[in-house]
Amino acid sequence: ELKVEQNPLFLSMQEGKNYTIYCNYSTTSDRLYWYRQDPGKSLESLFVLLSNGAVKQEGRLMASLDTKARLSTLHITAAVHDLSATYFCAVDKVKSGGSNYKLTFGKGTLLTVNP
Amino acid sequence: GAVVSQHPSRVICKSGTSVKIECRSLDFQATTMFWYRQFPKQSLMLMATSNEGSKATYEQGVEKDKFLINHASLTLSTLTVTSAHPEDSSFYICSAVLGRTQYFGPGTRLLVL
Repeated sequence: ELKVEQNPLFLSMQEGKNYTIYCNYSTTSDRLYWYRQDPGKSLESLFVLLSNGAVKQEGRLMASLDTKARLSTLHITAAVHDLSATYFCAVDKVKSGGSNYKLTFGKGTLLTVNP
Repeated sequence: GAVVSQHPSRVICKSGTSVKIECRSLDFQATTMFWYRQFPKQSLMLMATSNEGSKATYEQGVEKDKFLINHASLTLSTLTVTSAHPEDSSFYICSAVLGRTQYFGPGTRLLVL
């Protein structure tokens, strides 16, 4: 069974500071996703990481993937209040006996950026 | 592109009634759609895989007779919560698959009184 663990689950930080959210997964996968969810809203796709060593950046967020360590990180640089949200990582895996790719989500990291 | 809609966005119903939620892929065809449920402050939990033209596949612990899924066309999947009870109150999110990527709908908040 594929397990995805995120830490920390709660993160309170000040504006201007840097921090990293970690995402570990238990079995081999070649695709990892990061999503953002605002309160009462659905998921917004942030990054798709497709290969070992992949690094993607968008604004103050940078995501990386180490498939050998089964680890992805989401790094926040100089946080601003608008980044306050819940961040999920998810890993997909082919369903055994079929062709459907099912996503397994981490528990999410609730990020609060304080002025 | 790759827009997914859900209807309704919010529904309140009485205990014992049935509620239908629609998930539509607006600008692409989706053979496969997924239905998730999310309780407050929790992660998304996959309920079932909806395949056009065939029966849905339910995850372990999800009652197929309670959560009826119909994927009648390549752009529409419906989830019907039958005989809803307060414990069914949740945020229901669908996704539609294009290639290997899931595109998520905006969610439906169900409150059962």
